[in-house]
Amino acid sequence: EVQLVESGGGLVQPGGSLRLSCAASGFTFSSYWMHWVRQAPGKGLVWVSRINSDGSSTSYADSVKGRFTISRDNAKNTLYLQMNSLRAEDTAVYYCAREDILTGCFDYWGQGTLVTVSS
Amino acid sequence: EIVLTQSPGTLSLSPGERATLSCRASQSVSSSYLAWYQQKPGQAPRLLIYGASSRATGIPDRFSGSGSGTDFTLTISRLEPEDFAVYYCQQYGSSPPITFGQGTKVEIK
Repeated sequence: EVQLVESGGGLVQPGGSLRLSCAASGFTFSSYWMHWVRQAPGKGLVWVSRINSDGSSTSYADSVKGRFTISRDNAKNTLYLQMNSLRAEDTAVYYCAREDILTGCFDYWGQGTLVTVSS
Repeated sequence: EIVLTQSPGTLSLSPGERATLSCRASQSVSSSYLAWYQQKPGQAPRLLIYGASSRATGIPDRFSGSGSGTDFTLTISRLEPEDFAVYYCQQYGSSPPITFGQGTKVEIK
């Protein structure tokens, strides 16, 4: 069974940093591109970042470019999102999602981890 | 960036009724790269439709997708109690950013 389990969320002050993790199991993690998607309270889904299967290529939404870094450790089956210079508008539930190899859509999602940026 | 606009914002219907949700793109989207997701309160999104019209594994056949170019539709033929949720369209074919519509809430009338 495919499982994605996020962790690392919490309360952080503006300007602070946080690293999210997404532990993957039930599939060959190293074969899949992975994504982070966030959802502010009561709002819609917003794509944040993606990484290819071996970690050599990454992309970011303009709103997080230069502040967030996506990475992965295929030996540990884990996806990461390093978030620096956090702002109040980064407050959201952060989901990791797997990109289906054949179709490109997001076929599995984690349960999400809440990041709150507030003083 | 491709902007996706969903309508209506809220759809009030009764169980057994037909739901028709619209997703309009600011520029043409390859049909191969248009998806629909369902999200219930406190849960992660769930993939329903990919490639504009292909049902994901385990999705009941009362859910169907159609459309091409800039206009796409998700239809729920007969609403079941568990179908009341928020639905998002997504385009994922162009270069980043990947974008989502703002969502349509299907609520019980």
